Amino acid sequence: QKEVEQDPGPLSVPEGAIVSLNCTYSNSAFQYFMWYRQYSRKGPELLMYTYSSGNKEDGRFTAQVDKSSKYISLFIRDSQPSDSATYLCAMRETTQGGSEKLVFGKGTKLTVNP
Amino acid sequence: NAGVTQTPKFQVLKTGQSMTLQCAQDMNHEYMSWYRQDPGMGLRLIHYSVGAGITDQGEVPNGYNVSRSTTEDFPLRLLSAAPSQTSVYFCASSYLPSGNTIYFGEGSWLTVV
Repeated sequence: QKEVEQDPGPLSVPEGAIVSLNCTYSNSAFQYFMWYRQYSRKGPELLMYTYSSGNKEDGRFTAQVDKSSKYISLFIRDSQPSDSATYLCAMRETTQGGSEKLVFGKGTKLTVNP
Repeated sequence: NAGVTQTPKFQVLKTGQSMTLQCAQDMNHEYMSWYRQDPGMGLRLIHYSVGAGITDQGEVPNGYNVSRSTTEDFPLRLLSAAPSQTSVYFCASSYLPSGNTIYFGEGSWLTVV
């Protein structure tokens, strides 16, 4: 079982739809959970991060973490064509030796159609 | 406000050639890293550095060398290019301990023929 699983899509929705993007993970030591957005031919940029279970909202974006189920989600409300991008989840743990381990999902490609 | 700058953006190499991908950051970040991104494989860590003079291997280090002589620069060397190294390469940096914000460069598209 891979440490982080993410459905690659592609996902195509009409403008204004609510989008749900998800990742599952197997490593219970992950402490920080992040979502990166990557536009075509660009580098990933941090969209949101959360620590521990719960919800975090930022404008039209809501990140949700359920550590008991090892499941994280990103919701996009009122989706816009400008949201069309690949969304990567990422998770981080600090190992016993003090080093940090960051693992990315493979990304979900989202297209929002006008 | 340059952030993380990578050069070149595009490169075609012949098998066996060597080259260096340059990466520079102007945010005084201690931590720098190189990833490659391939279809269906996601981002995979090649090498990373926690400060000048300190480097370590990531998940897929074979065929690549790095050095960190200054805080700002972290070049990635391909010693003898192979078609399997055709990929998009991203340099990234962050503060230590690595905050949740990792800043990525724009990417370098490398084709090995």
